[in-house]
Amino acid sequence: DQQVKQNSPSLSVQEGRISILNCDYTNSMFDYFLWYKKYPAEGPTFLISISSIKDKNEDGRFTVFLNKSAKHLSLHIVPSQPGDSAVYFCASYGQNFVFGPGTRLSVLP
Amino acid sequence: GAGVSQSPSNKVTEKGKDVELRCDPISGHTALYWYRQSLGQGLEFLIYFQGNSAPDKSGLPSDRFSAERTGGSVSTLTIQRTQQEDSAVYLCASSAGGPRQETQYFGPGTRLLVL
Repeated sequence: DQQVKQNSPSLSVQEGRISILNCDYTNSMFDYFLWYKKYPAEGPTFLISISSIKDKNEDGRFTVFLNKSAKHLSLHIVPSQPGDSAVYFCASYGQNFVFGPGTRLSVLP
Repeated sequence: GAGVSQSPSNKVTEKGKDVELRCDPISGHTALYWYRQSLGQGLEFLIYFQGNSAPDKSGLPSDRFSAERTGGSVSTLTIQRTQQEDSAVYLCASSAGGPRQETQYFGPGTRLLVL
């Protein structure tokens, strides 16, 4: 039973456009949410986080939105760049970290 | 400064053998995590060390798995009597503080293949 779901295994976006990556969770005890980016043969790197007391957090081109009632969060990247091509994991924290299966983003030049 | 390092980067072993995976966290980081990522899956939490507190072992999948952290620094994850389903990438991460306060920095992982 997956507590954190990323229903799109892959996403392709044109350079300069917006990328929207989605994540759904089931455990209402989660109160902290993160996005990580992973390149092949490397460990994940932290991108952005949000606490459950907020509904939006922004850092440069990256914005995370949290909808607690829907148990849904999304990562917006705008404008998308070819270097953003990677696998993106969302993660939730309650008592320990639970990661989604990832979405592979391809930004096409 | 140096990031999190893991060794070996790749390990091939035969079913039934024991393996040890090593993690060198960022110097001064009090928290250390082990995860594994099986093919097509997300990261699965295994164990969490925080300072001198008793580790959170709630993610270890069986008693064949154990981990130690010596002197608050280097950690070793041991898998005894390996099975084919143990094949995965094992990732280590460290952070300067608690889960909600400080970012986790991941190592490159150890890719384990059990034949």
